[in-house]
Amino acid sequence: QSALTQPRSVSGSPGQSVTISCTGTSSDVGAYNYVSWYQQHPGKAPKLMIYDVTKRPSGVPDRFSGSKSGNAASLTISGLQAEDEADYYCCSYAGRYRVFGGGTKLTVL
Amino acid sequence: EVQLVESGGGLVQPGGSLRLSCAASGFTLSSYSMNWVRQAPGKGLEWVSYISTSSSTIYYGDSVKGRFTVSRDNAKNSLYLQMHSLRDEDTAVYYCARDWNFRGAFDIWGQGTMVTVSS
Repeated sequence: QSALTQPRSVSGSPGQSVTISCTGTSSDVGAYNYVSWYQQHPGKAPKLMIYDVTKRPSGVPDRFSGSKSGNAASLTISGLQAEDEADYYCCSYAGRYRVFGGGTKLTVL
Repeated sequence: EVQLVESGGGLVQPGGSLRLSCAASGFTLSSYSMNWVRQAPGKGLEWVSYISTSSSTIYYGDSVKGRFTVSRDNAKNSLYLQMHSLRDEDTAVYYCARDWNFRGAFDIWGQGTMVTVSS
């Protein structure tokens, strides 16, 4: 049950696009198409942004998109806005357990 | 309004026990599998436990296995986490989260309850 690997931080200017990577193993990310992404603002509970690798819950802007290739998943945020500045976590279903990434701090310059 | 509200956190000495509760409202708890997720101060999210709708399937993270027990009372629309043999490293905000598609999509989260393990 090792944590998925994410970059500690990424940054971008308003209007730009950023991509956050999430690397796992053939037992979690690579084994299932069940990767989800969460946004967390300071002092708040996480919010589901992407599930099943590519699907967006109702109410999540289509600026947020997800993808996966092999043992790695990615979250892309296009048209960056100031309110996107937050921590982002990936999470993978892995049968008998779920595993989160270490988190990535997104800074909007 | 669909919501989850955790309670039961507090300060406990190493080796002690604590029971967390999570009250669901605005939806029928029995229709969803549930999870506990924790977050140590300044750290990332860590999955703790999963319980299926009927409690027939239960999983734990390696760091809490054998010390924590998850349960639910669907009649009371409530989820629980009994924690024993608490360690310093269990200090965290504990969230309950609804797993709406049974595959790790946690769509509803509580506000969290803080557990501090310290002498």
